[in-house]
Amino acid sequence: SQTIHQWPATLVQPVGSPLSLECTVEGTSNPNLYWYRQAAGRGLQLLFYSVGIGQISSEVPQNLSASRPQDRQFILSSKKLLLSDSGFYLCAWSSSSYEQYFGPGTRLTVT
Amino acid sequence: AQKITQTQPGMFVQEKEAVTLDCTYDTSDQSYGLFWYKQPSSGEMIFLIYQGSYDEQNATEGRYSLNFQKARKSANLVISASQLGDSAMYFCAMRDIRKGAQKLVFGQGTRLTINP
Repeated sequence: SQTIHQWPATLVQPVGSPLSLECTVEGTSNPNLYWYRQAAGRGLQLLFYSVGIGQISSEVPQNLSASRPQDRQFILSSKKLLLSDSGFYLCAWSSSSYEQYFGPGTRLTVT
Repeated sequence: AQKITQTQPGMFVQEKEAVTLDCTYDTSDQSYGLFWYKQPSSGEMIFLIYQGSYDEQNATEGRYSLNFQKARKSANLVISASQLGDSAMYFCAMRDIRKGAQKLVFGQGTRLTINP
């Protein structure tokens, strides 16, 4: 069966510090991968998606970036965090079917 | 651009009653898909039900059913015989298929509280 992992689960970082969030998927090959952000009390906003290694599409221009160094690994990064980067970050994967499967999420607080 | 609207920020329902969560959508695409996800306080997003735009029958999954009215562009979620464990945020979403990926556009969500 397929599983999706995210870490860390929670993170508190000062403004201006770097960020690296990691997502890995097990049990499937060549998945589509997604990064979403959820602000407090809001819906999810798609940040990046990837259909293959090294292929990244950005949905929202910002100080975040994403990379896919391996087939089942998706990384969300920032060189300098802003207060507005605080939120709940969710990674998801999908295959040829319509459903997206979400990871447990990372709660990021920028202070 | 696709848009999902959920007009109920919060709903309070007595246990064992049925509840309908509203969702309207806007798209110019002929082929699309509609989803409902549940998000408990733990934060995980749990897939509940899916409706394709060409599906002739309303989707059902256990206690969940989707009341799909294509002409009205609505896709309401109906939960029958509500349980305390149904208390959570509920999100309606639409699939946007471009460039081989299946991106989801989410509504703002409805917080459902089931009272004993």
